[in-house]
Amino acid sequence: GQQLNQSPQSMFIQEGEDVSMNCTSSSIFNTWLWYKQDPGEGPVLLIALYKAGELTSNGRLTAQFGITRKDSFLNISASIPSDVGIYFCAGQPPSGGGADGLTFGKGTHLIIQP
Amino acid sequence: EAGVAQSPRYKIIEKRQSVAFWCNPISGHATLYWYQQILGQGPKLLIQFQNNGVVDDSQLPKDRFSAERLKGVDSTLKIQPAKLEDSAVYLCASSLGQRLAGADTQYFGPGTRLTVL
Repeated sequence: GQQLNQSPQSMFIQEGEDVSMNCTSSSIFNTWLWYKQDPGEGPVLLIALYKAGELTSNGRLTAQFGITRKDSFLNISASIPSDVGIYFCAGQPPSGGGADGLTFGKGTHLIIQP
Repeated sequence: EAGVAQSPRYKIIEKRQSVAFWCNPISGHATLYWYQQILGQGPKLLIQFQNNGVVDDSQLPKDRFSAERLKGVDSTLKIQPAKLEDSAVYLCASSLGQRLAGADTQYFGPGTRLTVL
């Protein structure tokens, strides 16, 4: 099946630093999504990207849908303590028969050091 | 607006026992998904329902897993018999089911954490 390679696996940063993570795929996606998951909770959508080349911001978060439709990145500027958590990229394939299930990366664990 | 509800939140069973999880999607959402999330990994789709019909169950281990959504609203996921490798968080998600211009966001519940001993 499709696989998403997400990197880095974990990040240890200082408060106020910028963060960058990315995701690559072996096949194309029509939609790229970035989720954040806190302990004991389900993933929460941060940003959705629908067009190749699209650059979208949500507050301090910026994400881009790669031109090849096989990659995406997420940047977080000026990190704050509540940014701690696990960030997942997810891709949604071209629609076929209504199957809309997401393929997720393995996650980037963001840790902010005091 | 109420979110996706799941119960129980935690379940501990012994291998070879049976277990069932329940999901109540957001009101009006036609599409319902079950995902399995093993520790340290991203969620993996098990099954997708559109109303009460199955759209995709290609990754559901059908020898032991079953799911139903009889009235097109609530859904149950069952494992019978459970194996040690089934220990995971089982997430339910729902969406409107209208994939227009890509805007069909999936909303996730808090999950059920299953431990198989």
